[in-house]
Amino acid sequence: DAGITQSPRHKVTETGTPVTLRCHQTENHRYMYWYRQDPGHGLRLIHYSYGVKDTDKGEVSDGYSVSRSKTEDFLLTLESATSSQTSVYFCAISAGTGMGPGELFFGEGSRLTVL
Amino acid sequence: QQQVKQSPQSLIVQKGGISIINCAYENTAFDYFPWYQQFPGKGPALLIAIRPDVSEKKEGRFTISFNKSAKQFSLHIMDSQPGDSATYFCAASYAGNKLTFGGGTRVLVKP
Repeated sequence: DAGITQSPRHKVTETGTPVTLRCHQTENHRYMYWYRQDPGHGLRLIHYSYGVKDTDKGEVSDGYSVSRSKTEDFLLTLESATSSQTSVYFCAISAGTGMGPGELFFGEGSRLTVL
Repeated sequence: QQQVKQSPQSLIVQKGGISIINCAYENTAFDYFPWYQQFPGKGPALLIAIRPDVSEKKEGRFTISFNKSAKQFSLHIMDSQPGDSATYFCAASYAGNKLTFGGGTRVLVKP
């Protein structure tokens, strides 16, 4: 299994509180991604990173921010959580190739419930 | 706007039968089409992938068929087994390192 650890794995929080999810990798892969998974919507990209301090927005980035100060860590922050952000969040990594992302390796997910 | 549309949302197949999942895309610049398999409580994992220069790719019981002119691709699971019960996602990417996923198909194989 790819060395990806997500924390926390489960979290229940109140509307309006800040939340940070952490993704840690031991593979030294360049690319890291945060996706959210919701029924009927599949996996939607929130933000991704292509190197330390290099990040970009995905298709559902509103209400989320990210940081990558080290190759191995990619943090996803909800500054003020809302009920619409209740979801399962997946971190993924890839080495990237000259022809695209190559294989993405996913973590086991972080289930967030916003009350 | 969903750039990759997947159907059906769910399907039930008898053991030994064929499962077929279809995906359609809009962006003709897409050049990499993987399928991911996800078991409950786990993250998705790459199952098989294809590039548009071939019309079919087979790995074991899993086959991708690709129709560039129709902008469609499909996954066929031959001789479906109960262990194949999972959610399957098609995806696509182009000239970069982001994957766009379809909505997913939950497959149940009955013994």
